Amino acid sequence: EAGVAQSPRYKIIEKRQSVAFWCNPISGHATLYWYQQILGQGPKLLIQFQNNGVVDDSQLPKDRFSAERLKGVDSTLKIQPAKLEDSAVYLCASSGRLAGGPLEQYFGPGTRLTVT
Amino acid sequence: AQTVTQSQPEMSVQEAETVTLSCTYDTSESNYYLFWYKQPPSRQMILVIRQEAYKQQNATENRFSVNFQKAAKSFSLKISDSQLGDTAMYFCALGGNKLVFGAGTILRVKS
Repeated sequence: EAGVAQSPRYKIIEKRQSVAFWCNPISGHATLYWYQQILGQGPKLLIQFQNNGVVDDSQLPKDRFSAERLKGVDSTLKIQPAKLEDSAVYLCASSGRLAGGPLEQYFGPGTRLTVT
Repeated sequence: AQTVTQSQPEMSVQEAETVTLSCTYDTSESNYYLFWYKQPPSRQMILVIRQEAYKQQNATENRFSVNFQKAAKSFSLKISDSQLGDTAMYFCALGGNKLVFGAGTILRVKS
């Protein structure tokens, strides 16, 4: 079974520029998550999708961040304009329900963003 | 609000020895799950072990086991017979469909 795919793996941009990240979840997983992981910290949830609908975006800085999941499969996360403090690893995860259990999350390799 | 605290920023252990990573949490939920995730230097997060809060029996997965103390809201990870491949950042996480992560503990296994 193929894992969660993300691209690009690395991105360097200047502040005030725009950037987009792409995620392809595990086939059949209805739930998709975007996390921001700042160096030395744990991942922080930015947005959660269930199919193509948003379940939780309470921690998404909506003035500069946007995300979409068209057709309930792939997802893109965009930052416009970027700030220095956006330098982080952006992790995508997807989940499918275990029998009688919670949604176990599977993570992609992440995109390391450096804003200069 | 749910919170997770990992008070050990870094730990080291000799190969083949046992090490315990600490985690405390806070939640008002009665039914929840606790997880330990491993993040090697390549950055891909991998689930190590999972504990359902309603189960009293501590979860085990091969060399990995947990000590779940519900009243104390404590969830520690014990790694037995440590191997060089266990070197990674370990995150404790709380939740169900949505996870809250701790800040992580860097574990270094020395030969």
